[in-house]
Amino acid sequence: QSALTQPASVSGSLGQSITISCTGTSSDVGGYNFVSWYQQHPGIAPKLMIYDVSNRPSGVSYRFSGSKFGNTASLTISGLQAEDEAEYYCCSYTSISTQYVVFGGGTKVTVL
Amino acid sequence: EVQLVESGGVVVQPGGSLRLSCGASGFTFGDYTMHWVRQGPGKGLEWVSLISGDGRSTYYADSVKGRFAISRDNSKNSLYLQINSLRFEDSALYYCAKDLVRGIVSTASLDHWGQGTLVTVS
Repeated sequence: QSALTQPASVSGSLGQSITISCTGTSSDVGGYNFVSWYQQHPGIAPKLMIYDVSNRPSGVSYRFSGSKFGNTASLTISGLQAEDEAEYYCCSYTSISTQYVVFGGGTKVTVL
Repeated sequence: EVQLVESGGVVVQPGGSLRLSCGASGFTFGDYTMHWVRQGPGKGLEWVSLISGDGRSTYYADSVKGRFAISRDNSKNSLYLQINSLRFEDSALYYCAKDLVRGIVSTASLDHWGQGTLVTVS
């Protein structure tokens, strides 16, 4: 069982906006601003899309944005495009046990 | 350009051992924390371990603690993962990844990933 909870799937039509949630605890998502998001297309390594809750690395489209409220972080994709169809994973620093990093279970985004 | 190339993945019997390697280029290797992340067939990402730039700090997922050992050789720009007492559930594509920031252990942001090396326990 993943430490961070994500919906298994989210879908939206071309041009729409969608939001993916990532729920943790005060020991990870809620306690620190160290949440990142990754996009993964089939057969390809993950790509960093958001870091430190809401920052975009150079080269990532402005259509991707991140936020956090309490123990839940969110990734919003605006102006949905066909190439956004992929698996998305959240990730956080954790103070639980002697682990340091935990991932969510992943969310499949389908563009209708 | 940052490049990470993993190697060492093989088919191995349960209880066996192997060592994965990751060669790095395009950045000052010793300045950055490095991670191993794995992905089982048809499954999600699972963080495995990290090692700080100077090699002094290491962390492990509970699922691998005591069986896996991460190490690095900064003179060779190389990262390693020693895997012992292999189990069927260790079968996965193993990625090495570079941390985004330097100066602290990690902010759980992995900005460059290799293409992975496949470990099959059978």
